[in-house]
Amino acid sequence: DIVLAQSPATLSLSPGERATLSCRAGQSVSSYLAWYQQKPGQAPRLLIYDAFNRATGIPARFSGSGSGTDFTLTISSLEPEDFAVYYCQQRSNWPYTFGQGTKLEIK
Amino acid sequence: QVQLQESGPGLVKPSETLSLTCTVSGGSISGYYWSWIRQPPGKGLEWIGYIYYSGSTNYNPSLKSRVTISVDTSKNQFSLKLSSVTAADTAVYYCARVLAAGTSPYYYYYYYMDVWGKGTTVTVSS
Repeated sequence: DIVLAQSPATLSLSPGERATLSCRAGQSVSSYLAWYQQKPGQAPRLLIYDAFNRATGIPARFSGSGSGTDFTLTISSLEPEDFAVYYCQQRSNWPYTFGQGTKLEIK
Repeated sequence: QVQLQESGPGLVKPSETLSLTCTVSGGSISGYYWSWIRQPPGKGLEWIGYIYYSGSTNYNPSLKSRVTISVDTSKNQFSLKLSSVTAADTAVYYCARVLAAGTSPYYYYYYYMDVWGKGTTVTVSS
């Protein structure tokens, strides 16, 4: 199985700041990587698919980049509702796997 | 707007079979792939498997010997059965739709989940 390592485990920032979250794959997944946001007690929400495509209804402050083994989710200016856990997921090789998550918390 | 709702027992005894159903409303089950994902308490996400509306399936090898996913298009539902459960199967179970682009029947499937149910907690305990 392809292991996805997310860093940092926890990121403490203030509203208005820029957030940069990382996902590193154990082998190349080409551009087949997505990012999800999950708030407590809720299902995950798809933010970015195939590395850089924003899903329907996702604000422009969310952007994705990367290919191969290194990917980044950037939130340009944090809004209060952005504090949550973020997961990456690859669809390059079955079983499709998720990273362990990055918790974005208010500083 | 498509909505998904999981249903089934919240408590299952060890060694028994966990059975869940996902009801799709606001749209047709036809033309799409449908998934089951689970999340143990305080942990990350695991893709259990998925099914095409026509019935073809793909299961996570780590669970393959115990998993069956089926579909009932007449009821707009798909289901999960997980046999011989242990405490390690305690989790929130989500059903979800696989992201597709294009128009039926010429969809391209991205194998990410764009619509999710709210999740149902299943506890394995005697």
